[in-house]
Amino acid sequence: AQRVTQPEKLLSVFKGAPVELKCNYSYSGSPELFWYVQYSRQRLQLLLRHISRESIKGFTADLNKGETSFHLKKPFAQEEDSAMYYCALKQGYQKVTFGTGTKLQVIP
Amino acid sequence: SQTIHQWPATLVQPVGSPLSLECTVEGTSNPNLYWYRQAAGRGLQLLFYSVGIGQISSEVPQNLSASRPQDRQFILSSKKLLLSDSGFYLCAWSGDRDGEQNEAFFGQGTRLTVV
Repeated sequence: AQRVTQPEKLLSVFKGAPVELKCNYSYSGSPELFWYVQYSRQRLQLLLRHISRESIKGFTADLNKGETSFHLKKPFAQEEDSAMYYCALKQGYQKVTFGTGTKLQVIP
Repeated sequence: SQTIHQWPATLVQPVGSPLSLECTVEGTSNPNLYWYRQAAGRGLQLLFYSVGIGQISSEVPQNLSASRPQDRQFILSSKKLLLSDSGFYLCAWSGDRDGEQNEAFFGQGTRLTVV
């Protein structure tokens, strides 16, 4: 069965410090991985997907199939990055499975 | 372009009353549809998902049910609400084909308070 694990419920970092939000998954096939973000009082929305290999708002995430991980990283945190982040997995037309989320708190 | 509508935005219901939350999608056909509950400390919990009309998969045993009477309509219901049903409910859709529109798109959510 698909499973996504985000071990940290809360991550607090100082402004300008590096950020790494951890995500591990279990799936027997070749999954598609995503990071979603929910800012305060806003709709949950896609931040980035692994197949795009792009940087969004300074965030990047690399799929490591050997470690079954898809950690989200940013070299220098900004206050506006404070939000709830969810890692998600989808394979083909199967359901989208989300992790339990990590709240990122950037301290000014 | 595709859009997803979810209503109402907030709802206060007494214990034992029925519930009906509606979600509709525009601009796409045969989407996968989802109901999630978002709870503090528990993240995003998948309640139901549907790959087609009348096809509903339940992820967790609970007091709620879901129905899909039309291709782009997904309804979350309860015959008798419990206090523990209070929470923030999210409807979402995603594409149904491998490699196409695999990301999920979310509605604005419904804040349900059972009193």
